[in-house]
Amino acid sequence: LAKTTQPISMDSYEGQEVNITCSHNNIATNDYITWYQQFPSQGPRFIIQGYKTKVTNEVASLFIPADRKSSTLSLPRVSLSDTAVYYCLVGLNSGNTPLVFGKGTRLSVIA
Amino acid sequence: EAQVTQNPRYLITVTGKKLTVTCSQNMNHEYMSWYRQDPGLGLRQIYYSMNVEVTDKGDVPEGYKVSRKEKRNFPLILESPSPNQTSLYFCASSTSAGALSYNEQFFGPGTRLTVL
Repeated sequence: LAKTTQPISMDSYEGQEVNITCSHNNIATNDYITWYQQFPSQGPRFIIQGYKTKVTNEVASLFIPADRKSSTLSLPRVSLSDTAVYYCLVGLNSGNTPLVFGKGTRLSVIA
Repeated sequence: EAQVTQNPRYLITVTGKKLTVTCSQNMNHEYMSWYRQDPGLGLRQIYYSMNVEVTDKGDVPEGYKVSRKEKRNFPLILESPSPNQTSLYFCASSTSAGALSYNEQFFGPGTRLTVL
């Protein structure tokens, strides 16, 4: 199973760009990299997903180097409402292997 | 409204008293999964199901059972709960279209279980 490692916590000021890196040294060839956001008392919510290189959507960007042993979630110009826990997930749910989430990074955005 | 529902949302029980947490989704998803969330440990997968009558162990299956008799429902069963199963539980579902892919999982609101 692919194991992931993320920083436990990060602090940022409003308006700054935040980059959260996840290490996944034993990622399998077919694994995807997915990031989820979780607010207190809620279930996780999908943010972005990628396989290689760079993916961008309306809320974030995901950078994946060629060796795919890490990935970086980039949140542009964070606001107070981005305060949450961010989880990295490596795997796929179309095959017979369990999914393994990272332990999450608690992002605190300060005014 | 497309959603995953769980019941109950909160439950306090005693050691050894069998309980079931229900999970239902209205999105016709093939894939369903249960997770537990504990402080400092993140989300850990308990069991998952690729489709009706197909279930597989996740990372932490000990002490849990599941069944998938219908596509929309995926109950989590604790035959003899113990205090170390006190946790926040999430059910999730997703499509399972195509091989070798990851499809966005939609999570339920969570069930907070306390076993005394």
